[in-house]
Amino acid sequence: GEEVAQTPKHLVRGEGQKAKLYCAPIKGHSYVFWYQQVLKNEFKFLISFQNENVFDETGMPKERFSAKCLPNSPCSLEIQATKLEDSAVYFCASNPAGNTEAFFGQGTRLTVV
Amino acid sequence: EDQVTQSPEALRLQEGESSSLNCSYTVSGLRGLFWYRQDPGKGPEFLFTLYSAGEEKEKERLKATLTKKESFLHITAPKPEDSATYLCAGANSGYALNFGKGTSLLVTP
Repeated sequence: GEEVAQTPKHLVRGEGQKAKLYCAPIKGHSYVFWYQQVLKNEFKFLISFQNENVFDETGMPKERFSAKCLPNSPCSLEIQATKLEDSAVYFCASNPAGNTEAFFGQGTRLTVV
Repeated sequence: EDQVTQSPEALRLQEGESSSLNCSYTVSGLRGLFWYRQDPGKGPEFLFTLYSAGEEKEKERLKATLTKKESFLHITAPKPEDSATYLCAGANSGYALNFGKGTSLLVTP
């Protein structure tokens, strides 16, 4: 597709439940990035992939968060045992070659209650 | 530690009143300085990439410039539809974007 598609748009989970977010990058883009936006404008990098391989996971919380990009499937970000502080908008972005402009999806708003 | 600082946090302009937004950065192994625009409830929309000091890029009423420590986004004769949050980000050696907290711009008629 010509845009990064994220699903669902909104997700509500009770504390302790699992949350799974999906991202279909733009066709032909090799790099996928996940960011968390908390409060109004604080973006935090989580993880990136080059094709199906983890490229950089320095921002990924060691516990509870995991991500995958498998061939012929949307990429996914999974949070086990969600906590209130996981409430945020999660953005996925893709680009064709690493340090070129990244195109962002519309985000998934996760609310943990 | 990598850091991107934007100022001002918020800016209110009259239509036609030109101004500049500032982004100062310290990003090790900088791979590019990016400007994005974000509207409420939407994902960031790409505006510009700058790779080396002295570089300038223009698009309609916007012009981005880069020095070794700062980038500026100049807005000439803004219109109400330019109201948005403008985000600056430095790409590190791993290509991840390190974002500033943004400048919220309101342009009134």
